[in-house]
Amino acid sequence: DSGVTQTPKHLITATGQRVTLRCSPRSGDLSVYWYQQSLDQGLQFLIHYYNGEERAKGNILERFSAQQFPDLHSELNLSSLELGDSALYFCASSPRPGGTGANVLTFGAGSRLTVL
Amino acid sequence: QKEVEQDPGPLSVPEGAIVSLNCTYSNSAFQYFMWYRQYSRKGPELLMYTYSSGNKEDGRFTAQVDKSSKYISLFIRDSQPSDSATYLCAMRGGGSQGNLIFGKGTKLSVKP
Repeated sequence: DSGVTQTPKHLITATGQRVTLRCSPRSGDLSVYWYQQSLDQGLQFLIHYYNGEERAKGNILERFSAQQFPDLHSELNLSSLELGDSALYFCASSPRPGGTGANVLTFGAGSRLTVL
Repeated sequence: QKEVEQDPGPLSVPEGAIVSLNCTYSNSAFQYFMWYRQYSRKGPELLMYTYSSGNKEDGRFTAQVDKSSKYISLFIRDSQPSDSATYLCAMRGGGSQGNLIFGKGTKLSVKP
């Protein structure tokens, strides 16, 4: 157990629907990163939050949004889902800058999304 | 040209073999280099972490970084069937924090 908790583990939904993926970082970690992993693209960075504030955006579609709450958990919202959004979505966390292991991302087990 | 290139394999070796996994990159600003291991249907887990150039050894694993060639390697000695997994290289630039850029991963199978 990495200490990063993601729910749900599996999700099957239909095109056009909206889903929310949830992530609880390791205790004490302030940063949360979201990644999408598909067979052809590998792990793609979506977005980074630090202590509730957005820090960086990657290849995140406009149909996707995220936020980090005061208790540091994060949610990734995916809307108007398309078949191509089927993928594994990973959350990772890291400690505060300068802290031990600050450069290392610890990943959760992922949420597998299937869009039919 | 992608920022990080990694041969996806698959790579199949007999138990006990030495495995060499490699990545090349194009961004000379990368300072932090990591190798993650990912078992099927699991999240990536950190295997090795190196800052800037040089070698780092941890048990059967050795990571090498050659910044002049923009080339990083992971060597696995005395490979075991339990090493069968996908190995992902990852890297990022300087600064106190930042997202990692990943290679696509090399799928390794170690046959008993």
